[in-house]
Amino acid sequence: EPEVTQTPSHQVTQMGQEVILRCVPISNHLYFYWYRQILGQKVEFLVSFYNNEISEKSEIFDDQFSVERPDGSNFTLKIRSTKLEDSAMYFCASSEVRIDGVFGPGTRLTVT
Amino acid sequence: AQKVTQAQTEISVVEKEDVTLDCVYETRDTTYYLFWYKQPPSGELVFLIRRNSFDEQNEISGRYSWNFQKSTSSFNFTITASQVVDSAVYFCALSEPNYGGSQGNLIFGKGTKLSVKP
Repeated sequence: EPEVTQTPSHQVTQMGQEVILRCVPISNHLYFYWYRQILGQKVEFLVSFYNNEISEKSEIFDDQFSVERPDGSNFTLKIRSTKLEDSAMYFCASSEVRIDGVFGPGTRLTVT
Repeated sequence: AQKVTQAQTEISVVEKEDVTLDCVYETRDTTYYLFWYKQPPSGELVFLIRRNSFDEQNEISGRYSWNFQKSTSSFNFTITASQVVDSAVYFCALSEPNYGGSQGNLIFGKGTKLSVKP
C-alpha cells in the first residue's frame, strides 16, 4: 500500500539554525499538509499546499516557516531560524481529495 | 467555530475491560468528516476510521466500534475486551472540506491516553 515517507526520523539542531524537513507524498495525491505536535499535546495544522502554492495556513505558520515542492515529488518544510519552542514532532500528510490525509511517520525535531 | 473536545485526558483499565473514549465536536458546516487516530508510544499516527456527516450508521471493526450521534455532536469510540497493545493516545479529529477556503485540514482534539494494564 502506498505510504507517505519522511526524512529524517529525528533531527537535532541548535537554536538559530535552519532546518529542512522532507516528505515524499503519495504519487497521485494533490493536496499536501504539514502538522506539528509538541510533546504531550495535540496535533496542530500548520499549512496546506495545492497546485504549487500555499492554500491555507494557521497562525502558527509565521514568516519563519516556508514550504515548497521543489521537484514534483518531495514536499519540504523549512524553518529559517529555529527556536526552542519549535521542538516537536512534524507530520506530513497527503491526500487525493480534500477529505483527509495519509500521514507520514513524522520527524522529531529537537532544538537545543 | 470548529472544535473537537475529548474530555477524558487519561483512562486506565484492566485488560479485558470494555472502554469508551468520548469525542464531542462543533462544526460550521453540514458536510464534514470525523476521524479517529491511534498514536502508540512510537509516535506515528495510525488511521482507524473516517466517517462522513451523512452516514450515521454505527460501525464495528473487530473489537473496535464507533457510535456517531449527530443529535449530540458526538463520535464515541469503544474498545471491547481491551488488550495491553491498545495502550496509546487516541485522537478524534474533524475536517470541513467544503467550508470557506478549507483545504480539508484536520482539527484534532487533545487526545485521550489509554493505559491497559495486564
